[in-house]
Amino acid sequence: GDSVTQMEGPVTLSEEAFLTINCTYTATGYPSLFWYVQYPGEGLQLLLKATKADDKGSNKGFEATYRKETTSFHLEKGSVQVSDSAVYFCALSAGGTSYGKLTFGQGTILTVHP
Amino acid sequence: ETGVTQTPRHLVMGMTNKKSLKCEQHLGHNAMYWYKQSAKKPLELMFVYNFKEQTENNSVPSRFSPECPNSSHLFLHLHTLQPEDSALYLCASSQGEDFQETQYFGPGTRLLVL
Repeated sequence: GDSVTQMEGPVTLSEEAFLTINCTYTATGYPSLFWYVQYPGEGLQLLLKATKADDKGSNKGFEATYRKETTSFHLEKGSVQVSDSAVYFCALSAGGTSYGKLTFGQGTILTVHP
Repeated sequence: ETGVTQTPRHLVMGMTNKKSLKCEQHLGHNAMYWYKQSAKKPLELMFVYNFKEQTENNSVPSRFSPECPNSSHLFLHLHTLQPEDSALYLCASSQGEDFQETQYFGPGTRLLVL
């Protein structure tokens, strides 16, 4: 079945540091890939997404590139801020009989210190 | 900003109680979802409704009973729950047309079963 593996957290960084959160996936066919973010006390919000190989999703300084050859969708940001502290979830949607089903990774807690 | 609201935000119930969670979306979407978020586990899809028809029941115990009276409202009826059902229950919605589409999440209901 479909699965998503995210790097274990928590991740603790200083402000302006470079961020990478690794995400790899297993799926049949050509899934769409997503990064969602959950701020304390809130639901999940879409951060960015990519729907085909080599697509790059970007938003708020975050980027991730859909790499089919390595089945990866790593999240990066060049300079993190305290306000980026949240839980980040990588997810995929595979379509077909799995229509509507988002498969999530376990989430990575990011804490950014001033 | 979210067009998906959930009530109540917090709920404490005994194992013999019956309660209901409510979700409402103001986005004109046709698909709605219930997810369970437990500590240290990936988000789990519970139910999917598309155009008010249930299209997915992810092997959820019968003590959870969903209801979708129209495309804007989704309920989760709870009865004779177990302590291990304590979790954050998230509702989401999407257009219902394409597996590549974004799902929009509500803030969740934090449930504690005593």
